[in-house]
Amino acid sequence: EVKLVESGGGLVQPGGSLRLSCTGTGFKFEDYAIHWIRQSPRKGLEWVSGINANGDYTRYADSVKGRFTVSRENAKNSLYLEMSDLSVEDMALYYCAKDGGEFSRGEYSFDSWGQGTLVTVSS
Amino acid sequence: SYELTQPPALSVSPGQTARITCSGDALPKKYTYWYQQKSGQAPVLVIYKDTNRPSGIPERFSGSSSGTTATLSISGAQVDDEADYYCFSTDSSGHQRVFGGGTKLTVL
Repeated sequence: EVKLVESGGGLVQPGGSLRLSCTGTGFKFEDYAIHWIRQSPRKGLEWVSGINANGDYTRYADSVKGRFTVSRENAKNSLYLEMSDLSVEDMALYYCAKDGGEFSRGEYSFDSWGQGTLVTVSS
Repeated sequence: SYELTQPPALSVSPGQTARITCSGDALPKKYTYWYQQKSGQAPVLVIYKDTNRPSGIPERFSGSSSGTTATLSISGAQVDDEADYYCFSTDSSGHQRVFGGGTKLTVL
């Protein structure tokens, strides 16, 4: 069974930083691209970032480019999202999701999702 | 910025066919993906590349696309299908990846 578990969410002040993690099991982690997707009541679902299987190709939404960095450590079946200069606009439930297999060809699909980790930005 | 437009809500009776639409200027050239999100749960992929159903998704779920509108159909809708449904696609340049605003389906 494919399982993705996010962690690292919490309360952070505006302008602060946070690092999210995602651990994947039940599939060959090193063979798949993985994405970060966030959801908030105000903005709905929003694709944030994606990284290919070996970590040398990344993509970002314009809203986070330059502030967020996605990386992975396949030996630990882990994905990370380094977030900086956070604002209330970034407050959301952050999901990691396994790609359906065509990320490098420009087709993004999310065939398994974690349960999310909550990021709250407040002073 | 690119937008995908969905009706906010749809209500059908059990056994009827529910049709949820998603409109976007680039849909004639770009694939649409559909996700189901039940209350308190993570989204689940129910249709990929306009018309394809992942393994484990019931046959009553189907997808189609014509012109600037993609449609998710649920034939013989069941109470268990009550959920929010989101479409996902990209703009014509392939740069912006967006979800629709979601449609809340009620089956009663």
